[in-house]
Amino acid sequence: GESVGLHLPTLSVQEGDNSIINCAYSNSASDYFIWYKQESGKGPQFIIDIRSNMDKRQGQRVTVLLNKTVKHLSLQIAATQPGDSAVYFCAEKSSSNTGKLIFGQGTTLQVKP
Amino acid sequence: DAGITQSPRYKITETGRQVTLMCHQTWSHSYMFWYRQDLGHGLRLIYYSAAADITDKGEVPDGYVVSRSKTENFPLTLESATRSQTSVYFCASSGHGWVYEQYFGPGTRLTVT
Repeated sequence: GESVGLHLPTLSVQEGDNSIINCAYSNSASDYFIWYKQESGKGPQFIIDIRSNMDKRQGQRVTVLLNKTVKHLSLQIAATQPGDSAVYFCAEKSSSNTGKLIFGQGTTLQVKP
Repeated sequence: DAGITQSPRYKITETGRQVTLMCHQTWSHSYMFWYRQDLGHGLRLIYYSAAADITDKGEVPDGYVVSRSKTENFPLTLESATRSQTSVYFCASSGHGWVYEQYFGPGTRLTVT
């Protein structure tokens, strides 16, 4: 079945460094992906999305890269700040076109001062 | 305030009792979703709704009931709560079938004793 997973459960980085969070997906027909950030005690918050007709999309301090050949998605955070500490989820649009998203397990990002 | 709200934020109940979690959104979004979040499982879809009076099962629907008589409300009922339903529950909404960005509420932490 469809699945979206993350390579690393926890990522620890130094403040000011760049962070890279990875995600693998299994459905080669997926055409839309989202990254969410979830801070402790809060609901997931949209960060950035990308459609399959793109390889890269940039936002403010964040970049999402999509490699359809190997079914891999990554989120890059530039100049990581303590406020970036959170759990990050990738999500994939369900192939059933019902508005559903399939979420990965999540990666915890810890930013060391 | 505009947005998506959930109530109660915290709930403790006993095994066998009926519990209803409320979700309200002010965007007139078509789609609404209920997820549960447990350690090690990420976000799992319980039920979703494409419009008023249209609901469908997600990944883990057993033990839950939903209704959607109005576009803005999507209550989730645990008919006879069990300890395995102790979890954090998130409601989300999204605008249209081709717009997959989901907006999440703050969550309800439910403990079943």
